[in-house]
Amino acid sequence: DIQLTQSPFTLSASVGDRVTITCRASQYINNWLAWYQQKPGKAPKLLIYKASSVESGVPSRFSGSGSGTEFTLTISNLQPDDFGTYFCQQYNSYSPLTFGGGTKVDMK
Amino acid sequence: EVQLVQSGAEVKKSGESLKISCKGFENDFSNSWIAWVRQMPGKGLDWMGFIHPYDSDTKYSPSFQGQVTISADKSTNTAYLHWSSLKASDTAMYYCARLGQLDFFCSTTSCYGFFDLWGQGTMVSVSS
Repeated sequence: DIQLTQSPFTLSASVGDRVTITCRASQYINNWLAWYQQKPGKAPKLLIYKASSVESGVPSRFSGSGSGTEFTLTISNLQPDDFGTYFCQQYNSYSPLTFGGGTKVDMK
Repeated sequence: EVQLVQSGAEVKKSGESLKISCKGFENDFSNSWIAWVRQMPGKGLDWMGFIHPYDSDTKYSPSFQGQVTISADKSTNTAYLHWSSLKASDTAMYYCARLGQLDFFCSTTSCYGFFDLWGQGTMVSVSS
């Protein structure tokens, strides 16, 4: 199975900061990668699919980039509502679906 | 409103059976692939399997094959996750999620895609 490694594990940031989270795949997955946000006690919410396509209704401060094995989720101008845990997920059809271990974004 | 509504939290003992549900409130529910996803306390996400409610075509993750049963009733737009004999290690939050209509692919053994709609989750607590 393809392993997804997210870094950092935890990120402390302030409102207004630019935040970058990385997701590395153990094998080539083209651009078949999604990003989700999860708040405590809530279900994950889709932010980005196909590495860089922003889901409808998601604020424009969220963006995704990357291809192959290295991907990035960027939050520009971090807002109070953005604190939570972020997961990446790969959906390359040569391997079972897998999720990254998550990156927790908390308040500095 | 398009949403997936799951049944409430459950507290059970090891060895008991359990079936939890996920009801869709959209016309296309039966034509969507619905997945069940496990999240153990403080941990990440694991997909368990997919079902297509229209014909109940089901695909299981190898990690969960034989451990759970996924079913659906297209007449009520509901998907189910069933355990015949719970274990303490089944304690987790369980989510149903809809496979997005873009760029998805299903083979004979699995589906591939992202999840664009999630249920609110059902917490299952199993004591030994």
